[in-house]
Amino acid sequence: EDQVTQSPEALRLQEGESSSLNCSYTVSGLRGLFWYRQDPGKGPEFLFTLYSAGEEKEKERLKATLTKKESFLHITAPKPEDSATYLCAVQDGDYGGSQGNLIFGKGTKLSVKP
Amino acid sequence: GAGVSQTPSNKVTEKGKYVELRCDPISGHTALYWYRQSLGQGPEFLIYFQGTGAADDSGLPNDRFFAVRPEGSVSTLKIQRTERGDSAVYLCASSFGPRETQYFGPGTRLLVL
Repeated sequence: EDQVTQSPEALRLQEGESSSLNCSYTVSGLRGLFWYRQDPGKGPEFLFTLYSAGEEKEKERLKATLTKKESFLHITAPKPEDSATYLCAVQDGDYGGSQGNLIFGKGTKLSVKP
Repeated sequence: GAGVSQTPSNKVTEKGKYVELRCDPISGHTALYWYRQSLGQGPEFLIYFQGTGAADDSGLPNDRFFAVRPEGSVSTLKIQRTERGDSAVYLCASSFGPRETQYFGPGTRLLVL
């Protein structure tokens, strides 16, 4: 059964204090791993897609990396506006199964204090 | 361009009532997904449409839930005989194809009293 586990559940950082969020996954055949940001009362906002182990993507203070078992979202010198819940999701590449639906973790709630 | 839109943004109903939730996807996106998100949880898949047909409804929790997409664009999620356990945020997402990046709408917050 496909599964996604995110840690920690919550993370409090001081402004400028770099850290990483973890997403470990179990999937029969990974088609893609997705990172989303979700602000309170809003829908998930797309950040990155990673397709194969070793791949990295960056956007401003965020950098996502992928191995065969997990993904990390590195946050460098975070600012208060980076506070949000970060969701990780996988898409199963087994075409005999569901047609591309995402399997999400529970998310990591990040708080950045000034 | 315009993103995914969902209406209403909030819906309060009484147990046993019928509700309809609407999703308007990004123009040109053929794939449309419905998810449900409970407090403190990640979104959970409900149903996937490719064009007008429901290609995968394996996530619908029971036969009180039904969704349509008659013209391959706007979709409506229908819930009959609502129960308090149906209270959640219902999210819609669309993509160019079944295995492309999904873009989410703001969600409909459903509260069943």
